[in-house]
Amino acid sequence: QVQLQESGPGLVKPSETLSLTCTVSGGSISSYYWSWIRQPPGKGLEWIGWIFYSGTTNYNPSLKSRVTISVDTSKNQFSLKLSSVTAADTAVYYCARVYGDYVPSGWFDPWGPGTLVTVSS
Amino acid sequence: EIVLTQSPGTLSLSPGERATLSCRASQSVSSSYLAWYQQKPGQAPRLLISGASRRATGIPDRFSGSGSGTDFTLTISRLEPEDFAVYYCQQYRNSPYTFGQGTELEIK
Repeated sequence: QVQLQESGPGLVKPSETLSLTCTVSGGSISSYYWSWIRQPPGKGLEWIGWIFYSGTTNYNPSLKSRVTISVDTSKNQFSLKLSSVTAADTAVYYCARVYGDYVPSGWFDPWGPGTLVTVSS
Repeated sequence: EIVLTQSPGTLSLSPGERATLSCRASQSVSSSYLAWYQQKPGQAPRLLISGASRRATGIPDRFSGSGSGTDFTLTISRLEPEDFAVYYCQQYRNSPYTFGQGTELEIK
Protein backbone atom coordinates (compact mmCIF):
# COMPACT_ATOMS: atom_id res chain seq x y z
CA GLN A 1 0.00 0.00 0.00
CA VAL A 2 1.44 3.33 -1.09
CA GLN A 3 2.27 5.79 1.68
CA LEU A 4 3.51 9.37 1.42
CA GLN A 5 5.47 11.46 3.89
CA GLU A 6 6.26 15.16 3.66
CA SER A 7 9.47 16.57 5.11
CA GLY A 8 11.17 19.94 5.31
CA PRO A 9 11.61 23.05 7.45
CA GLY A 10 8.63 24.11 9.52
CA LEU A 11 9.67 27.76 9.57
CA VAL A 12 10.64 29.91 6.60
CA LYS A 13 11.47 33.61 6.58
CA PRO A 14 9.54 36.04 4.40
CA SER A 15 10.96 36.48 0.88
CA GLU A 16 12.85 33.18 1.12
CA THR A 17 12.11 29.87 -0.63
CA LEU A 18 9.99 27.14 0.91
CA SER A 19 11.34 23.65 0.12
CA LEU A 20 9.55 20.39 0.87
CA THR A 21 10.09 16.78 -0.14
CA CYS A 22 7.57 13.97 -0.38
CA THR A 23 8.87 10.43 0.00
CA VAL A 24 6.79 7.65 -1.53
CA SER A 25 6.98 4.21 0.07
CA GLY A 26 5.24 0.91 -0.58
CA GLY A 27 5.26 1.43 -4.33
CA SER A 28 7.10 3.04 -7.21
CA ILE A 29 6.83 6.70 -8.10
CA SER A 30 6.94 5.70 -11.75
CA SER A 31 3.83 5.67 -13.95
CA TYR A 32 1.89 8.01 -11.71
CA TYR A 33 1.14 11.71 -11.34
CA TRP A 34 1.89 13.35 -8.00
CA SER A 35 0.57 16.57 -6.50
CA TRP A 36 1.10 19.19 -3.85
CA ILE A 37 -1.93 20.70 -2.09
CA ARG A 38 -1.98 23.22 0.73
CA GLN A 39 -4.40 24.33 3.43
CA PRO A 40 -3.97 27.58 5.40
CA PRO A 41 -4.91 27.22 9.07
CA GLY A 42 -8.67 27.03 9.44
CA LYS A 43 -9.26 27.38 5.72
CA GLY A 44 -9.91 25.27 2.63
CA LEU A 45 -7.74 23.31 0.21
CA GLU A 46 -5.74 24.72 -2.70
CA TRP A 47 -4.15 22.58 -5.41
CA ILE A 48 -0.59 23.74 -6.15
CA GLY A 49 0.45 21.52 -9.04
CA TRP A 50 1.31 18.04 -10.29
CA ILE A 51 4.32 16.26 -11.73
CA PHE A 52 4.56 13.08 -13.78
CA TYR A 53 7.43 10.73 -13.03
CA SER A 54 8.95 11.74 -16.36
CA GLY A 55 9.22 15.33 -15.12
CA THR A 56 6.25 16.89 -16.90
CA THR A 57 4.53 19.47 -14.70
CA ASN A 58 1.35 21.51 -14.45
CA TYR A 59 0.89 24.34 -11.97
CA ASN A 60 -1.98 26.35 -10.60
CA PRO A 61 -1.84 29.70 -12.44
CA SER A 62 -2.28 31.51 -9.12
CA LEU A 63 1.13 30.22 -7.98
CA LYS A 64 2.83 29.37 -11.27
CA SER A 65 5.37 32.22 -11.19
CA ARG A 66 6.73 31.05 -7.82
CA VAL A 67 6.40 27.24 -7.94
CA THR A 68 8.74 24.51 -9.06
CA ILE A 69 7.94 20.82 -8.61
CA SER A 70 10.63 18.26 -9.39
CA VAL A 71 11.02 14.49 -9.15
CA ASP A 72 13.85 12.15 -8.22
CA THR A 73 12.86 8.65 -9.31
CA SER A 74 16.06 7.11 -7.89
CA LYS A 75 14.95 8.19 -4.41
CA ASN A 76 11.21 7.72 -5.00
CA GLN A 77 10.71 11.36 -4.06
CA PHE A 78 9.23 14.52 -5.48
CA SER A 79 9.76 18.04 -4.22
CA LEU A 80 8.16 21.47 -3.98
CA LYS A 81 9.87 24.83 -4.07
CA LEU A 82 7.87 28.01 -3.52
CA SER A 83 9.83 31.23 -3.83
CA SER A 84 9.35 34.71 -2.38
CA VAL A 85 7.08 33.48 0.39
CA THR A 86 4.91 35.73 2.54
CA ALA A 87 2.72 35.12 5.57
CA ALA A 88 -0.08 34.19 3.15
CA ASP A 89 1.89 31.05 2.30
CA THR A 90 1.63 29.76 5.86
CA ALA A 91 -0.24 26.48 5.54
CA VAL A 92 -0.24 22.75 6.00
CA TYR A 93 1.31 21.33 2.84
CA TYR A 94 0.17 17.91 1.66
CA CYS A 95 1.55 15.65 -1.02
CA ALA A 96 -0.77 13.19 -2.73
CA ARG A 97 -1.00 10.83 -5.65
CA VAL A 98 -3.23 11.81 -8.54
CA TYR A 99 -5.44 8.88 -9.42
CA GLY A 100 -8.26 8.30 -11.82
CA ASP A 101 -9.61 7.10 -15.10
CA TYR A 102 -8.37 10.07 -17.08
CA VAL A 103 -5.10 11.12 -15.44
CA PRO A 104 -3.67 13.68 -15.07
CA SER A 105 -7.24 14.71 -14.40
CA GLY A 106 -8.05 12.88 -11.25
CA TRP A 107 -8.71 12.76 -7.58
CA PHE A 108 -6.12 12.67 -4.82
CA ASP A 109 -5.47 9.40 -3.08
CA PRO A 110 -3.61 8.66 -0.91
CA TRP A 111 -2.40 11.76 0.94
CA GLY A 112 0.56 12.31 3.19
CA PRO A 113 -0.19 13.41 6.76
CA GLY A 114 0.83 16.98 5.94
CA THR A 115 3.43 19.32 7.32
CA LEU A 116 2.84 22.81 8.71
CA VAL A 117 5.03 25.50 7.25
CA THR A 118 4.97 28.88 8.95
CA VAL A 119 6.32 31.97 7.22
CA SER A 120 7.66 34.35 9.83
CA SER A 121 10.77 36.31 10.62
CA GLU B 1 -11.34 28.30 -13.16
CA ILE B 2 -14.29 26.25 -11.97
CA VAL B 3 -15.62 27.52 -8.64
CA LEU B 4 -17.30 25.01 -6.34
CA THR B 5 -19.80 26.27 -3.78
CA GLN B 6 -20.78 23.96 -0.95
CA SER B 7 -23.89 24.29 1.18
CA PRO B 8 -24.69 24.55 3.94
CA GLY B 9 -21.54 25.88 5.55
CA THR B 10 -22.41 24.07 8.76
CA LEU B 11 -24.87 21.24 9.26
CA SER B 12 -25.99 20.33 12.78
CA LEU B 13 -27.46 16.85 13.10
CA SER B 14 -27.70 14.00 15.56
CA PRO B 15 -26.31 10.47 15.23
CA GLY B 16 -28.73 8.28 13.33
CA GLU B 17 -30.04 11.14 11.20
CA ARG B 18 -29.56 11.56 7.45
CA ALA B 19 -27.14 14.17 6.12
CA THR B 20 -27.39 15.80 2.72
CA LEU B 21 -24.48 17.96 1.55
CA SER B 22 -24.53 19.98 -1.64
CA CYS B 23 -21.79 21.03 -4.07
CA ARG B 24 -22.57 23.35 -6.97
CA ALA B 25 -20.11 24.12 -9.78
CA SER B 26 -19.84 27.38 -11.69
CA GLN B 27 -19.78 25.38 -14.94
CA SER B 28 -20.40 21.77 -15.88
CA VAL B 29 -17.94 19.20 -14.59
CA SER B 30 -19.70 16.42 -16.45
CA SER B 31 -20.98 13.37 -14.62
CA SER B 32 -17.63 11.88 -13.80
CA TYR B 33 -15.19 14.52 -12.66
CA LEU B 34 -16.17 15.14 -9.05
CA ALA B 35 -14.78 13.73 -5.81
CA TRP B 36 -15.71 14.04 -2.14
CA TYR B 37 -13.34 13.97 0.85
CA GLN B 38 -13.74 13.80 4.60
CA GLN B 39 -11.33 15.66 6.88
CA LYS B 40 -11.07 15.31 10.64
CA PRO B 41 -9.10 17.75 12.83
CA GLY B 42 -5.35 17.34 12.49
CA GLN B 43 -5.69 14.80 9.68
CA ALA B 44 -5.29 14.81 5.94
CA PRO B 45 -8.41 14.59 3.80
CA ARG B 46 -9.61 11.08 3.03
CA LEU B 47 -11.16 10.16 -0.30
CA LEU B 48 -14.78 9.06 0.01
CA ILE B 49 -16.23 9.26 -3.49
CA SER B 50 -14.81 9.62 -7.00
CA GLY B 51 -16.59 9.91 -10.32
CA ALA B 52 -19.47 11.59 -8.46
CA SER B 53 -20.87 8.28 -7.16
CA ARG B 54 -18.16 5.62 -6.81
CA ARG B 55 -17.23 4.82 -3.23
CA ALA B 56 -13.54 4.49 -2.49
CA THR B 57 -12.15 1.29 -1.08
CA GLY B 58 -13.20 0.72 2.51
CA ILE B 59 -15.82 3.47 2.61
CA PRO B 60 -19.07 2.32 4.29
CA ASP B 61 -22.16 2.09 2.12
CA ARG B 62 -23.98 4.69 4.22
CA PHE B 63 -21.98 7.20 2.13
CA SER B 64 -23.37 7.83 -1.34
CA GLY B 65 -22.77 10.43 -4.03
CA SER B 66 -24.99 11.59 -6.85
CA GLY B 67 -25.40 14.35 -9.40
CA SER B 68 -24.11 15.51 -12.73
CA GLY B 69 -23.41 18.70 -14.62
CA THR B 70 -23.25 21.43 -12.01
CA ASP B 71 -25.13 19.96 -9.02
CA PHE B 72 -23.82 17.19 -6.81
CA THR B 73 -24.86 15.69 -3.49
CA LEU B 74 -23.14 13.65 -0.82
CA THR B 75 -25.58 11.74 1.36
CA ILE B 76 -24.81 9.98 4.61
CA SER B 77 -27.81 7.77 5.24
CA ARG B 78 -27.47 7.25 8.96
CA LEU B 79 -24.88 9.28 10.83
CA GLU B 80 -22.37 7.53 13.04
CA PRO B 81 -20.37 9.44 15.69
CA GLU B 82 -17.20 9.15 13.57
CA ASP B 83 -18.88 10.90 10.60
CA PHE B 84 -18.81 14.33 12.22
CA ALA B 85 -16.09 16.13 10.27
CA VAL B 86 -15.56 18.60 7.43
CA TYR B 87 -16.45 17.48 3.90
CA TYR B 88 -14.97 18.87 0.69
CA CYS B 89 -15.90 18.38 -2.94
CA GLN B 90 -13.25 18.62 -5.69
CA GLN B 91 -13.56 18.89 -9.45
CA TYR B 92 -11.03 17.45 -11.84
CA ARG B 93 -12.76 18.34 -15.08
CA ASN B 94 -10.44 21.28 -15.73
CA SER B 95 -7.11 22.49 -14.47
CA PRO B 96 -6.64 24.14 -12.04
CA TYR B 97 -8.32 21.45 -9.97
CA THR B 98 -10.42 23.16 -7.34
CA PHE B 99 -12.12 22.37 -4.06
CA GLY B 100 -15.26 23.67 -2.45
CA GLN B 101 -14.92 25.66 0.76
CA GLY B 102 -16.18 22.76 2.85
CA THR B 103 -19.23 21.79 4.88
CA GLU B 104 -18.74 21.22 8.59
CA LEU B 105 -20.96 18.44 9.90
CA GLU B 106 -21.35 18.95 13.64
CA ILE B 107 -23.15 17.09 16.39
CA LYS B 108 -26.41 18.71 17.39
